[in-house]
Amino acid sequence: GAGVSQSPRYKVAKRGQDVALRCDPISGHVSLFWYQQALGQGPEFLTYFQNEAQLDKSGLPSDRFFAERPEGSVSTLKIQRTQQEDSAVYLCASSPRGSGQRYEQYFGPGTRLTVT
Amino acid sequence: GENVEQHPSTLSVQEGDSAVIKCTYSDSASNYFPWYKQELGKRPQLIIDIRSNVGEKKDQRIAVTLNKTAKHFSLHITETQPEDSAVYFCAAPNSGGYQKVTFGTGTKLQVIP
Repeated sequence: GAGVSQSPRYKVAKRGQDVALRCDPISGHVSLFWYQQALGQGPEFLTYFQNEAQLDKSGLPSDRFFAERPEGSVSTLKIQRTQQEDSAVYLCASSPRGSGQRYEQYFGPGTRLTVT
Repeated sequence: GENVEQHPSTLSVQEGDSAVIKCTYSDSASNYFPWYKQELGKRPQLIIDIRSNVGEKKDQRIAVTLNKTAKHFSLHITETQPEDSAVYFCAAPNSGGYQKVTFGTGTKLQVIP
C-alpha cells in the first residue's frame, strides 16, 4: 500500500515568508509525528498527534511553528515569518497505534526547506 | 525525557568486515529500541528493533544486543557490503504512554570495497 507522503519535496522561502508543509500518513495510522532534521543530525522531535489531538508540542522551537491534524489524517506544519535557522529537512512519520506497545514509525520522504 | 548517546559518529570498514555501533540511554523504564537506516537523501527506515524482554535479536547479517543493566544497546552488521553504507540512528522511547522516541545523533558508516 501507499506509504507516508509529504509535499512539497523542496521549498525555497524568502526570510519572513510563511510556509505550509503537508503530510499524508498511512491510512488508519493513529500516531503522527513531525521532526526537524538538520544536516548531519538525527531527527529532532517537534510535535505529536494521536488522531486529531495534539498531545505533545514540546519540540516546537518557537510560536512561529504551528501544526494541525483536524480530521485525524492529513497534517500540516506551518512556519510563520521564516528565518534562516529554519532551514532543514522536515520529516513526518506515522505509526499504527497511539499508546501501549511500541511500534515502528514509518517516515515520509521529507520536505527540504531552504530559507534565503 | 530520554537522553540517547550514539558512538561512533563515523565508521569506515573494509567490505566483508564487521561494524558495531553503540548507544546508551538514560531512562531505565525504556522497553523498545529501534534502529533506523538512512541512505543519502532518503527517508529513515527501520532495519531492526528489540524489546526489553530479550537480550539479542538477529535478522540475517544484522543483530542488536541489549544490556538493560548497563542501559546500552548495540547494532552489529556482519559481512558488510557497499550497500550497507548509510547513516544509522538508534532510538529509545520517552516515558509516557505513547509512541514518542528520542533519536541518537547518527553514525555514518562507510563500507570500502
